[in-house]
Amino acid sequence: GAGVSQSPSNKVTEKGKDVELRCDPISGHTALYWYRQSLGQGLEFLIYFQGNSAPDKSGLPSDRFSAERTGGSVSTLTIQRTQQEDSAVYLCASSLVAQEGSPLHFGNGTRLTVT
Amino acid sequence: GQQLNQSPQSMFIQEGEDVSMNCTSSSIFNTWLWYKQDPGEGPVLLIALYKAGELTSNGRLTAQFGITRKDSFLNISASIPSDVGIYFCAGVEKGAQKLVFGQGTRLTINP
Repeated sequence: GAGVSQSPSNKVTEKGKDVELRCDPISGHTALYWYRQSLGQGLEFLIYFQGNSAPDKSGLPSDRFSAERTGGSVSTLTIQRTQQEDSAVYLCASSLVAQEGSPLHFGNGTRLTVT
Repeated sequence: GQQLNQSPQSMFIQEGEDVSMNCTSSSIFNTWLWYKQDPGEGPVLLIALYKAGELTSNGRLTAQFGITRKDSFLNISASIPSDVGIYFCAGVEKGAQKLVFGQGTRLTINP
């Protein structure tokens, strides 16, 4: 597609439920990144993929968070047993390659609200 | 993790004024990027800088990669209403792949 596509755009869930967030990167982009943006804050790195492997998972806040990428394309970020502090906008970005300085192109994010 | 210090946090200016914001880090960065985010959207890349001392323009925007490789600034000249939004600096540490972001500068313009 023309840009990074994320779905759903908004998600409201009850505390304790699991959620899945989806990201479709720009066609041909091998690197994919997940960031989290809390209200009025900057972007917090979560994880990135080069192809289907995740060399850096250092930003995942807890073991309730996991992500996978299949076929070198679509990625899913899963949050298990959601907590209210998980409420944020989850942004996905892709770049041609995961190399220093390769610009990231962002989707519009999924706004997650945990009630 | 590495934090970028971005200032100011917010700016309230009159249309037509020039704007300046900057970002500093405690370690050396090999890449500096400046993004703008509008409400409900993801950040959009404005300018990318790859060499110490590099000065790059994009229309009314000018950004520089500091000589020490630990800072960068963004200037906007003759601001217009569509410049309103949140501006983020972002950088990549030497040898790293992940982009770290500043806390953002929220720009508000009074017509």
